[in-house]
Amino acid sequence: KQEVTQIPAALSVPEGENLVLNCSFTDSAIYNLQWFRQDPGKGLTSLLLIQSSQREQTSGRLNASLDKSSGRSTLYIAASQPGDSATYLCAALPNDYKLSFGAGTTVTVRA
Amino acid sequence: NAGVTQTPKFQVLKTGQSMTLQCAQDMNHNSMYWYRQDPGMGLRLIYYSASEGTTDKGEVPNGYNVSRLNKREFSLRLESAAPSQTSVYFCASSEGFVTVYEQYFGPGTRLTVT
Repeated sequence: KQEVTQIPAALSVPEGENLVLNCSFTDSAIYNLQWFRQDPGKGLTSLLLIQSSQREQTSGRLNASLDKSSGRSTLYIAASQPGDSATYLCAALPNDYKLSFGAGTTVTVRA
Repeated sequence: NAGVTQTPKFQVLKTGQSMTLQCAQDMNHNSMYWYRQDPGMGLRLIYYSASEGTTDKGEVPNGYNVSRLNKREFSLRLESAAPSQTSVYFCASSEGFVTVYEQYFGPGTRLTVT
């Protein structure tokens, strides 16, 4: 069974600092890995999806990398802003097609 | 476009009562999913429908049933609610089956079973 871990569970940084969020997964045979953002009391918003054949994806200030061999993905957020405060979740899609989520990293960006 | 909508937003049930959670999407997506989110456990897949007319069990299907009513709508039914089913329930959809396409989520239903 695919296990997805996100460390740390919470992170607090001053505005302007770059954010680095980590995601690890136990089974490297995945179809894709997806990063989501969740605001308190809200649903999930998809940020980036990396196919298994890709090494990274970029969207604006966000960049996500994927290293299947080591079972790791990293989400970088450049020049963080208070509006980036949220919980970030990663999810890996294994061969049984059942998306496995990490518990998330809660980010606070201090003004 | 409203995206993915869910009703109700909040619900309180007594143990043994039944209810149906409704989900609809207006993006002409083929695949739909139901998840539950519990503190510290991330999201877990309950059931999914890869295409209209098909449904399959996810990671935690016990105590739930689903109906893919048409391409737009996918409902989740609790026949006899238990306190362990207290959770936040999310519906999601994707253009095609999830191997390639990203998922879009609804706002969630917060269910408490007493």
